[in-house]
Amino acid sequence: AQTVTQSQPEMSVQEAETVTLSCTYDTSESDYYLFWYKQPPSRQMILVIRQEAYKQQNATENRFSVNFQKAAKSFSLKISDSQLGDAAMYFCAYRRSHFGNEKLTFGTGTRLTIIP
Amino acid sequence: NAGVTQTPKFQVLKTGQSMTLQCAQDMNHEYMSWYRQDPGMGLRLIHYSVGAGITDQGEVPNGYNVSRSTTEDFPLRLLSAAPSQTSVYFCASSFTSDYNEQFFGPGTRLTVL
Repeated sequence: AQTVTQSQPEMSVQEAETVTLSCTYDTSESDYYLFWYKQPPSRQMILVIRQEAYKQQNATENRFSVNFQKAAKSFSLKISDSQLGDAAMYFCAYRRSHFGNEKLTFGTGTRLTIIP
Repeated sequence: NAGVTQTPKFQVLKTGQSMTLQCAQDMNHEYMSWYRQDPGMGLRLIHYSVGAGITDQGEVPNGYNVSRSTTEDFPLRLLSAAPSQTSVYFCASSFTSDYNEQFFGPGTRLTVL
């Protein structure tokens, strides 16, 4: 079974600085998708960024980027120019790349605090 | 589009009571699922459906039932509530394409006394 590990329960960063959240996963599949979700205090799950395993290029979305290391099974999220609105729980998630298999496996989350 | 809606937002039950958590989506998504979120454990899949009339178990299905009679609705039933079912419940939906985004509802916070 696939597992996703987030080893940092809590992280903090100064406003405008850069922070990196770690995620590792275990799978025997060669093709899959990885995601980072943000959960602010409102509880709503918001997709931040996604990465296809077959793509070597790291995904970026504005201030959010990932460092995807397939051989090491590592998928870290970098937030640049941190803003107060970035404060949230961040979840890393994995999904197999098979039609009709949309099940997500989540990590335990990292709570990110932004220090003004 | 309303997206994914869940009712109620909050619920308190006594041990042994039954109830149904409602989930609806208006995006014509084939895939729908239920997750529970517990402190320190992330989200865990309870049940899922790939279309009307088709359901299957996820990681933690015990104590829950689901059915999918329409594309839009995917209710989650607690047959006999237990304190271990105290959690936040999320419904999610997506198209069954190979590269898709799952849309989550706002969640239901359930407390079982």
